[in-house]
Amino acid sequence: GQNIDQPTEMTATEGAIVQINCTYQTSGFNGLFWYQQHAGEAPTFLSYNVLDGLEEKGRFSSFLSRSKGYSYLLLKELQMKDSASYLCAVLDSNYQLIWGAGTKLIIKP
Amino acid sequence: ETGVTQTPRHLVMGMTNKKSLKCEQHLGHNAMYWYKQSAKKPLELMFVYNFKEQTENNSVPSRFSPECPNSSHLFLHLHTLQPEDSALYLCASSQEGGEDRGHEQYFGPGTRLTVT
Repeated sequence: GQNIDQPTEMTATEGAIVQINCTYQTSGFNGLFWYQQHAGEAPTFLSYNVLDGLEEKGRFSSFLSRSKGYSYLLLKELQMKDSASYLCAVLDSNYQLIWGAGTKLIIKP
Repeated sequence: ETGVTQTPRHLVMGMTNKKSLKCEQHLGHNAMYWYKQSAKKPLELMFVYNFKEQTENNSVPSRFSPECPNSSHLFLHLHTLQPEDSALYLCASSQEGGEDRGHEQYFGPGTRLTVT
């Protein structure tokens, strides 16, 4: 079967750094997405990785290791508005997105 | 604002009611999706339409009936639902067939459905 694993909930402090991990087992791989979803709102695209390595975009970075079936999303200089759920999703061999259950990130002052 | 709108935002319906959810995308995309999102569960893909043709139906009960009259509009018709169908229903669109980034999906704000 296909499976995406990510922690259910994480807590971090404003101004700090947090790393949200995602591991996957899928039938094929055509890229990995990270989405952010604030409570009651639509998921919005954060990043896409298809090659190994780190992609940096402002305060957010995403890393991929295809050989390990592993990705992480790194959030720096945390702000209160970063409190949200972060969804990991993998595009499988049929170009279908397989979703994780999401990680709820709580930022404390 | 993602370019995908959904109405209504909230819906309460009895098990014998018939209602429809509407989705419209203003992005010129050629694929549209219905997802069900329940608390602490992964997004569940329900239906996919590519160029107005249904390409995915992931074992969804027949009490959910999709309709895609054109590439910009998508409906989900609901009838005789069960309480366990209460969830957030998300619509998304994407541009398929292009570069890898073409598979990025843009989501609407969702319809929060409660079945009583």
